[in-house]
Amino acid sequence: EVQLVQSGTEVNRPGDSLKISCKASGYNFPTYWIAWVRQMPGKGLEYMGIIFPDDSDARYSPSFQGQVTISADKSINTVFLQWNSLKASDTATYYCARSSIESLRADFDIWGQGTVVSVSS
Amino acid sequence: EIVMTQSPATLSVSPGERATLSCRASQSIGINLAWYQQKPGRAPRLLIYRASTRATGIPARFSGSGSGTEFTLSISSPQSEDSAVYYCHQYNDWPVFGQGTKLEIK
Repeated sequence: EVQLVQSGTEVNRPGDSLKISCKASGYNFPTYWIAWVRQMPGKGLEYMGIIFPDDSDARYSPSFQGQVTISADKSINTVFLQWNSLKASDTATYYCARSSIESLRADFDIWGQGTVVSVSS
Repeated sequence: EIVMTQSPATLSVSPGERATLSCRASQSIGINLAWYQQKPGRAPRLLIYRASTRATGIPARFSGSGSGTEFTLSISSPQSEDSAVYYCHQYNDWPVFGQGTKLEIK
C-alpha cells in the first residue's frame, strides 16, 4: 500500500526550532516529488514547497521562502519540514502530499494524515 | 502567480439535487487542474485530475469538466457523505489552490 505517515502533534513556544517528518512507503520513494501544504485553523490549503528526494532539489513558494526548510533522506524514505524559529502564526496543520507522476507539475494522489503544530507562549 | 477563484463559497443542496461547483483560473492552464474533497479533521482526497479524470475509487456521481480558465466539478446526486469542502488546484504553473467551496447537503 502506498502511504505517507507523518509525525505527531507538536506543541511549542515562539522561538523554538522544529522539524516534522513524512515517511513514505509502498513505492519508489526517490523519484516522486513530495510537497508540503499548510492549513491554518479554519482556512484553506496553501502550497508551501516541494522536494525531489532523489537529489533533494527543493523549491519554495515565495511566501515561505526563507521561512522554512524542506529536506529529504533517501536512506529512510522520509521528507522533513523544518523551522529555525517558530512564530504563533505558524500554528496550523501541515500535510505532505505526493505528486501522482514523476513530475513537478502534477496532482497530489497520496496525502499524509497531517501534523498539527501549535505555537503559543 | 496564477490566481484560482472558486464559487460559490458555500453551496447548499438537497439530497439528489445536482451540485455544481466552479473554479476559474486567472490565465489559461490547459487541463492541468485537480479537485480534492476535504472533510473536517481529515486530509484532502484526490477526486479528479487532468480536469475530468476520476481518481481511483471515486464514485461515478463525481465528474469534472472544463479547460483553459473555466472548470466545473459536478456531483450528480449528492449524498449526505458528500458534505465537505472542495478545492481546485492548478499545476500548469507553480501550484496554487483555490480558496474552497463548502458543500452542505440539507
